Amino acid sequence: NAGVMQNPRHLVRRRGQEARLRCSPMKGHSHVYWYRQLPEEGLKFMVYLQKENIIDESGMPKERFSAEFPKEGPSILRIQQVVRGDSAAYFCASSPEIYWTGELFFGEGSRLTVL
Amino acid sequence: DQQVKQNSPSLSVQEGRISILNCDYTNSMFDYFLWYKKYPAEGPTFLISISSIKDKNEDGRFTVFLNKSAKHLSLHIVPSQPGDSAVYFCAANTLLHFGVIFGNEKLTFGTGTRLTIIP
Repeated sequence: NAGVMQNPRHLVRRRGQEARLRCSPMKGHSHVYWYRQLPEEGLKFMVYLQKENIIDESGMPKERFSAEFPKEGPSILRIQQVVRGDSAAYFCASSPEIYWTGELFFGEGSRLTVL
Repeated sequence: DQQVKQNSPSLSVQEGRISILNCDYTNSMFDYFLWYKKYPAEGPTFLISISSIKDKNEDGRFTVFLNKSAKHLSLHIVPSQPGDSAVYFCAANTLLHFGVIFGNEKLTFGTGTRLTIIP
C-alpha cells in the first residue's frame, strides 16, 4: 500500500494520559499535514511539517500538543494530558516536494477517544 | 473565523437527478479550490479542483464552477448515483504565483455537506 499510513486507527486513553499518533506519508512525499475533525465538524488544520522542520503550526493548540517529522521515521502528533475535548478523528495528509498538483493525499485517520 | 463556508449541512437528491453543492469563501487571497469526498471511517479523497484562472472544470459526472466576484463555488454531480452518498468538503488555498502552482500549502476546509442519494 503506497498511500498515507496512519496508526493506530483507534486509540482509547483516560484523561491525563498521553496519546501518540503516527503518520507515514506516501512514498516520495516530504510534506506532512495534520488535521483534526471534531464530531459533526469540518477538518481543522493543525500543523504542516517537512522533514525536521515545522513550517506552520498556526492551528495547533499552544499547550499539550506537539508534532515532529524526524529525518528517519514517521511523523508523530503527540497529545499530553489528554482531556475529553481531545476526542476526535486526526487525519494526516502528505504532498510531494515537486510536481505538486495542488491536492493533499489523506490517510484513513486515527480516532482518539478520551474516557 | 470560518474562511470557507458550506451553509448546507445536508442535502438529499433523487438518484439520476443533479446534485448541487455550494461553497462560499471570504479570503480573497484564495486562488485554488478543491472538492473532497469522505465516507464514514475513511479519509477524505480528492475529487476535483479549479484554479482562479478558470470558471469551470469538468471531470466526468463532476463539474466545479467558480464565481470569483461572488466568492462562490459549486460542485455539480450529474447524474447522481447511490455511491455518491458521502460528506463533501470544499477546500481552498493560496497556491498560484503568476498562474502557476508554486510551493506547497495547507488547505482550508469548509464544514462539509452530507449528500444522500435516494434510490
